[in-house]
Amino acid sequence: QVHLQESGPGLVKPSETLSLTCTVSGGSINNFYWSWVRQPPGKGLEYVGYVSYKGRTDYSLSLKSRTTISVDASKNQFFLIMTSVTAADTAVYYCARVNSPFDYWGQGILVTVSS
Amino acid sequence: EIVLTQSPGTLSLSPGDSATLSCKASETINSYYLAWYQHKPGQAPRLLIHSVSSRAAGIPDRVRGSGSGTDFTLTISRLEPEDFAVYYCQQYGTSPYTFGGGTKIEIK
Repeated sequence: QVHLQESGPGLVKPSETLSLTCTVSGGSINNFYWSWVRQPPGKGLEYVGYVSYKGRTDYSLSLKSRTTISVDASKNQFFLIMTSVTAADTAVYYCARVNSPFDYWGQGILVTVSS
Repeated sequence: EIVLTQSPGTLSLSPGDSATLSCKASETINSYYLAWYQHKPGQAPRLLIHSVSSRAAGIPDRVRGSGSGTDFTLTISRLEPEDFAVYYCQQYGTSPYTFGGGTKIEIK
């Protein structure tokens, strides 16, 4: 059974950089794409982007300019970096496996942007 | 990017009722790459339907997806207590992938 676990700081200051890690266990990161999805408080799911095991990326148009998703296949991990965060980036961030649809998800991590 | 519009925003129903959820796309979905997810507070989203109408593993046959082109529907028959949740459609055929705004099924 594939398991995904998000990790990283739960509090980030405005204008600083949000950095999250997703660790994949129970299966290899190879041969799949891997995604980040977020949910701001009281709102719906928002696609952030994906990375392939070879490093190909895709991003939401609204977040593309300040988002980077990368992968370290040797560690079975992938990463989210978002720069210049504001309160609007406060959300639960989920990582997920892209197997055409998103078939496995992490439990999510709440990231609050506040001074 | 493809915009997905879900309606209604909220459905107030009783256990045993049937639910019909709509998802309309701003342009034709590529190769039937349309999925539905169930999401409950504090939990990870759960894949219900992929490829418009294929049920994910363990999803009962009272959950049915249908549609084509730009209009899609999720139907849940004989609602059970565990079905009360928020449901999202998602297109994964054209980058960037996008989600609809969600439909909440609440207990009447």
